[in-house]
Amino acid sequence: LAKTTQPISMDSYEGQEVNITCSHNNIATNDYITWYQQFPSQGPRFIIQGYKTKVTNEVASLFIPADRKSSTLSLPRVSLSDTAVYYCLVGPRGSGTYKYIFGTGTRLKVLA
Amino acid sequence: SAVISQKPSRDICQRGTSLTIQCQVDSQVTMMFWYRQQPGQSLTLIATANQGSEATYESGFVIDKFPISRPNLTFSTLTVSNMSPEDSSIYLCSVADMNTEAFFGQGTRLTVV
Repeated sequence: LAKTTQPISMDSYEGQEVNITCSHNNIATNDYITWYQQFPSQGPRFIIQGYKTKVTNEVASLFIPADRKSSTLSLPRVSLSDTAVYYCLVGPRGSGTYKYIFGTGTRLKVLA
Repeated sequence: SAVISQKPSRDICQRGTSLTIQCQVDSQVTMMFWYRQQPGQSLTLIATANQGSEATYESGFVIDKFPISRPNLTFSTLTVSNMSPEDSSIYLCSVADMNTEAFFGQGTRLTVV
């Protein structure tokens, strides 16, 4: 399973757009990129998943360049409630193998 | 999306004892996993719970310490045996199925004294 590298922490202010980049140089052809959000005392919650180019949902956008060796999670206009740890994961989908290996994650702190 | 119920949500246990954590899913799922999250740290995969057969453990985790059962496609248990203070962590159950993302339970916060 591909190893991921993310910044350990980031600070932002309310209303700003936050971009968190993840490196996954050894991503395999059948790997998808998935981002999770974790609040204190809760389990991780799915945010978004993509394979290539751009994916957008009501919460975030995920940008994946052509070589797929990195990806960027974009959170538009963050609020204080977006303060959490964000994990980037890569792994195959559809094979029944979801043995995600978590990296350090990025601890995002949103300031007023 | 799958709804996962973990019990207990938290517990304080004496060293040397064992605790069994239950994970119940509201629908049948192919994959069930157990993770450990130590304070301020990321999640570490303990094992994959296999229905009807022995669990598959990750490096550093053994069956004698973390016996796992999965009698059917909606239920699994993780036992933390012969506990020491170093076992104080949050233990999380995760489930996944074909062509879906993984879902996580709220976790069981274990404190060993």
